[in-house]
Amino acid sequence: QLQLQESGPGLVKPSETLSLTCTVSGGSISSSSYYWGWIRQPPGKGLEWIGSISYSGSTYYNPSLKSRVTISVDTSKNQFSLKLSSVTAADTAVYYCARSPGIAAAPGGWGQGTLVTVSS
Amino acid sequence: EIVMTQSPATLSVSPGERATLSCRASQSVSSNLAWYQQKPGQAPRLLIYGASTRATGIPARFSGSGSGTEFTLTISSLQSEDFAVYYCQQYNNWWTFGQGTKVEIK
Repeated sequence: QLQLQESGPGLVKPSETLSLTCTVSGGSISSSSYYWGWIRQPPGKGLEWIGSISYSGSTYYNPSLKSRVTISVDTSKNQFSLKLSSVTAADTAVYYCARSPGIAAAPGGWGQGTLVTVSS
Repeated sequence: EIVMTQSPATLSVSPGERATLSCRASQSVSSNLAWYQQKPGQAPRLLIYGASTRATGIPARFSGSGSGTEFTLTISSLQSEDFAVYYCQQYNNWWTFGQGTKVEIK
């Protein structure tokens, strides 16, 4: 059974880089069938796609965040990661990792989410 | 960017009644449309993809319809566990989500 678990600091200072990792269990991140993505949700608000990465390492980013986002995969650890630079209070959100069967497909497996607060 | 607009923002329904939620895309997304259910403190759960295909394990009382720019999620007979926030998402051109419809007990 697929499980995704986000991990990383819950508090990040303004202007610094937010770094999160998603650990995948119950399936190989190297599978050619899937894409791995990050979605966030500010408190009390809706969902925003941040970006996705394919099994081969191809990346796809939300144009509004592209200049600040890097997503990478570590197949040896069955993990993928998110880095978001130059954060502000507007980046405070619950961050979810998720799996989809393609970039043009709906993510069916989600992690439980982790709250990241940007504050000094 | 494709903008997804959901209506209404809040829907008050009695248990056992039918709920109809709408989602409109700012341009055609073909049938590349999904619906999610989210309860407080939980991750979204995929209900419908391809505009009308139920995801694994989703009860038959949930149904989706539409294509192009107009979509509908129907819950035929609301159960207590169905009171939640529902989001639509297009994946035809990157991914964008609607702002959500809260289904509350009347």
